[in-house]
Amino acid sequence: AQKVTQAQTEISVVEKEDVTLDCVYETRDTTYYLFWYKQPPSGELVFLIRRNSFDEQNEISGRYSWNFQKSTSSFNFTITASQVVDSAVYFCALSESKGMYSGGGADGLTFGKGTHLIIQP
Amino acid sequence: KAGVTQTPRYLIKTRGQQVTLSCSPISGHRSVSWYQQTPGQGLQFLFEYFSETQRNKGNFPGRFSGRQFSNSRSEMNVSTLELGDSALYLCASSLDPRQNPYGYTFGSGTRLTVV
Repeated sequence: AQKVTQAQTEISVVEKEDVTLDCVYETRDTTYYLFWYKQPPSGELVFLIRRNSFDEQNEISGRYSWNFQKSTSSFNFTITASQVVDSAVYFCALSESKGMYSGGGADGLTFGKGTHLIIQP
Repeated sequence: KAGVTQTPRYLIKTRGQQVTLSCSPISGHRSVSWYQQTPGQGLQFLFEYFSETQRNKGNFPGRFSGRQFSNSRSEMNVSTLELGDSALYLCASSLDPRQNPYGYTFGSGTRLTVV
C-alpha cells in the first residue's frame, strides 16, 4: 500500500530564513505522481506542484523549489527567503497510476499528515 | 472561471442525524472526489465519482455515501452521524484523474460539527 510520511509536524522560522519541508513516500508502482499542496487557514487546498515518477528534474518556481530523489523516495520542498504569507499547513501527496492503465479505478490521493509552517515576522 | 464550490460552508448536526453536503465542480470537469480531514487521521480519501458512477471508494463505513448528477455536481451523505464524523470535508474536481492525474482542484470545504 502507498504511504506518505511528513516527519515534521511543525516548523517555526523567522521571516527571510530558508526552510525545507521533508516528504518520504512508499509505493510499489513504478509510475506514480507526487504533489505538494498548501492549506491556509481558510481550508482550501492550493495546488503547488506535481511530478511524475519519470521526471526527476528538480524544479524552481520563484522562491519555491522541489528536490525529487527516487533513490531515497523523497520529494522535499524548500522555501527560500520565507515570508509571513507562507505560513500554512503543507501537504505532500501521492497518486498511483493504476487508474490510468489498468482500468481498476483510482485510489485518490494519499496525503501525508502535513507540516504546519509558521513564519514569524 | 469559477472554482470548486462546496455548500454549506459550516454545519452543526446532532448525533444520529444525517447530513448532505454538496460540491459543484469546475465547469467541464467530470470527476469529483471527496476527502475527510480530521486532526487525528489527516486527509483521507472517501470516494470518487465520474460521469455519475462511483469509480472507487476509500475505507469508510457504509454510512458514507455519495452520488453524482448529470451536470457533474456531487452530493455526499452521512447517515447516523457520530461524534467522530466531525471534520472538514473537501471535494476535488478533475477532468478525469485517470487521464490527467495532475488536475485536482479543491474546494474550500464544509466544516461539519457533530454534537
